[in-house]
Order: sequence, then structure tokens, then C-alpha cells
Amino acid sequence: AQSVTQLGSHVSVSEGALVLLRCNYSSSVPPYLFWYVQYPNQGLQLLLKYTSAATLVKGINGFEAEFKKSETSFHLTKPSAHMSDAAEYFCAVSDTGGTASKLTFGTGTRLQVTL
Amino acid sequence: GAVVSQHPSWVICKSGTSVKIECRSLDFQATTMFWYRQFPKQSLMLMATSNEGSKATYEQGVEKDKFLINHASLTLSTLTVTSAHPEDSSFYICSARDWGHGTKTQYFGPGTRLLVL
Repeated sequence: AQSVTQLGSHVSVSEGALVLLRCNYSSSVPPYLFWYVQYPNQGLQLLLKYTSAATLVKGINGFEAEFKKSETSFHLTKPSAHMSDAAEYFCAVSDTGGTASKLTFGTGTRLQVTL
Repeated sequence: GAVVSQHPSWVICKSGTSVKIECRSLDFQATTMFWYRQFPKQSLMLMATSNEGSKATYEQGVEKDKFLINHASLTLSTLTVTSAHPEDSSFYICSARDWGHGTKTQYFGPGTRLLVL
């Protein structure tokens, strides 16, 4: 069984400040990990993914995440927040087996960016 | 690349009617598509896995006779909400797995908001 825990349902940062969104996972097999962003009334857009290659993964819009096996974490960061980053962010985990691997989502973190 | 579309984006219907939602992978083939439901300010709940040419696999607690899924081709899956009731009002999102690149990445459609009156 897999699960994802996102600490903090709401995160507020000032424009230009560091963004840190936390994600911890639980998986009985080596996981594939994903971060998705969702803007209001839209579907999910893939930000980045970890698929057992480099542990530091760079994504779109300046985001990156680091896979830390010892901490079972995959936190999302961005050095400098923009107003356009305000959205809902979901961390998700998938197992590595089978052609129909399911995604298990965290509960999401709403990022607010203030002036 | 890896674009997934959904149609319609919005639908309002009367209680008791059926509603069909289409999910298409526009630039890749998808042997597997997924249907999710999302309640306001909540995460996505997987409803079912749609497999091309075979029956869908439903998650526990999801009524298969209520939510009919058909995956007739490698680029199209449909979700039909039968005899819709107000409690079926929700945001429905599909995703398609990019089989061609052999990755585990799911690409999501823009979602369909259903309101049942």
C-alpha cells in the first residue's frame, strides 16, 4: 500500500520568498513520485517527477524537488515565489510495477503568494 | 505533447438524466486512462481505471452501474453518469498514461464540472 502525506494544507509566502511544500511518502516498493499543480477550475499539470534516476529533479516554472529515501520525503521548492505560483499543489506516489500503475494523491497544499 | 482533452467542460442536467463525459488523448495513444472525482477543496479520488478493449476496474465503493466507463479506442474513454442525482455533482477529471514513452506519467485533462439540479 502507498500513501502520501502533505504537511500543511495552506502555505503563504511573500513574492520573492522561498517556496517549500512538504511531501512524505510511504511505499513498500521503490516509488515513483510526482508533483502536480492545479489552478482553479482546471485539471492537473505535471510539475516534475522522480523515477529512480537523479535524486534532485528539476521541473517547470523553476520548481525542483529532492528525493530523500532516508527521510521518505520529496519536498517541492522554488527559490523565489511569483504571484502566478498561487495554486493548489498535489504530491502523488505510484508503484513501479504494472502497466496501469495508480497514483495515490496527497490532500494538497494551497499556496498563497502575497505582495 | 501529451495533451489530454475533456468534453464538455461544464454540464448542467436535471436529476434522473444521464450525462456522458469524453476524455481524449490528442497526441499519444493511451491503453490506460483513469477517472477521478474531486470535491471542492479536496484531493482527487480515483474512481476507476479504464483499459482499452476491456472492462474498467472500479475502486472500492464506486458503483459500476452508476458510472459506466467505455474505452473503445486508444485515444478515447467515456464516463457516463447514469440517472444522475444532486449528490453526483462534482468535478470529474480524467488522465491518460503515455504508453508510448514507457513512463509512469499520467497526463490530466482539464476536468468536467457536473451540476445536477
